[in-house]
Amino acid sequence: QVVVTQEPSLTVSPGETVTLTCGSNTGDVTIRHYPYWFQQKPGQAPRTVIYDTDNKQSWTPARFSGSLLGGKAALTLSGAQPEDEAEYYCLLYIAGGRVLGGGTKLTVL
Amino acid sequence: QVQLQESGPGLVKPSQTLSLTCTVSGASVSSGNYYWNWIRQSAGKGLEWIGRSYTNGVASYSPSLRSRVTISLDTSKNQFSLNLNSVTAADTAVYYCMSEPPGLWGQGTLVTVSS
Repeated sequence: QVVVTQEPSLTVSPGETVTLTCGSNTGDVTIRHYPYWFQQKPGQAPRTVIYDTDNKQSWTPARFSGSLLGGKAALTLSGAQPEDEAEYYCLLYIAGGRVLGGGTKLTVL
Repeated sequence: QVQLQESGPGLVKPSQTLSLTCTVSGASVSSGNYYWNWIRQSAGKGLEWIGRSYTNGVASYSPSLRSRVTISLDTSKNQFSLNLNSVTAADTAVYYCMSEPPGLWGQGTLVTVSS
């Protein structure tokens, strides 16, 4: 069974930098996994902040960036803002389909 | 800009088939390099990928749902649909459609499975 792993929770102070990661039990994550990152706030639909590893949506603030780091997909938030507090999910292409991670609850405190 | 809108019954009886439609504007479901996804979220839980169809109609599904799900394209209406049969209360969730790339979402629709 394919499992995509994310940190269950992270806390960052306003203005600081935090990196969320997304790994797979099938091996290193590469660009061929076409990683996506979604942000979801309570009561709202998810929205995509990063697609295909490092591409931003038109609404994605410049402080968000996507990359590959140590065999995982990574979402880095440089200079966290209170409005960035949310659940973040990653999505990977594995074995012919898509698999979602369990989500990271990011607290900005 | 691609926009997506889910529609369908909000209440389905156990053992019946859940059928939802996603209407696409700003792109054609049958052309281009797009994948058309369905994703769901049960109350208080994380997101669950259900499956997707490419623009040529070839679909792939989550292994856990494969035996019960079908995703298909309706090119005449520029829509794609989700059919999930033999539903139980565990299928109660908000269902979202999403296009990739670049990951544009519908607003979601709540489906409750109850008699």
